[in-house]
Amino acid sequence: ILNVEQSPQSLHVQEGDSTNFTCSFPSSNFYALHWYRWETAKSPEALFVMTLNGDEKKKGRISATLNTKEGYSYLYIKGSQPEDSATYLCASLGGTSYGKLTFGQGTILTVHP
Amino acid sequence: DSGVTQTPKHLITATGQRVTLRCSPRSGDLSVYWYQQSLDQGLQFLIQYYNGEERAKGNILERFSAQQFPDLHSELNLSSLELGDSALYFCASSPGTADTQYFGPGTRLTVL
Repeated sequence: ILNVEQSPQSLHVQEGDSTNFTCSFPSSNFYALHWYRWETAKSPEALFVMTLNGDEKKKGRISATLNTKEGYSYLYIKGSQPEDSATYLCASLGGTSYGKLTFGQGTILTVHP
Repeated sequence: DSGVTQTPKHLITATGQRVTLRCSPRSGDLSVYWYQQSLDQGLQFLIQYYNGEERAKGNILERFSAQQFPDLHSELNLSSLELGDSALYFCASSPGTADTQYFGPGTRLTVL
């Protein structure tokens, strides 16, 4: 994997459903993986920064896991609510890149009431 | 509100012109980053400054330049503007060089 890739591109779920999406990133020279939530007409908001293989982070109903050896991270949302509708972005930071984040294209989540 | 401010919010200008976008980081943050988001493109990293010095550079065009001043605010200068430069430009800041980045509200640039 040379770039950061996210799947699916978009997702429609019903209120109350649990959902998850994937971020794949280069596993060589890895330093950190960032997750952001980006609501329409707002700016990206940081969710998690993960660095260690096997790391799990949780914020309310949202959690994330990290596998640095195989180069992927999962973001989970439990019991989706309409206010969770947003674009979820992941970004990879390489070890020699200082703060240069490489973003994926994002997963657009729509939660229907 | 992330604490990062950007001015102006909107900017409409003509091809060939030059504009300056301004960013004030969160209090205490030493790093400032600039990103571009064009139509159908993801967030593209342009450049990072840390405490006044350039630290990382992305695919920033030669027509674009940036600087970070002693008070830590930053400016992104875009010159000889082309239609394709129309985009949303975000500034972000962080305490160090690889921490969580806090994004400003963005400046929407329209080149006519």
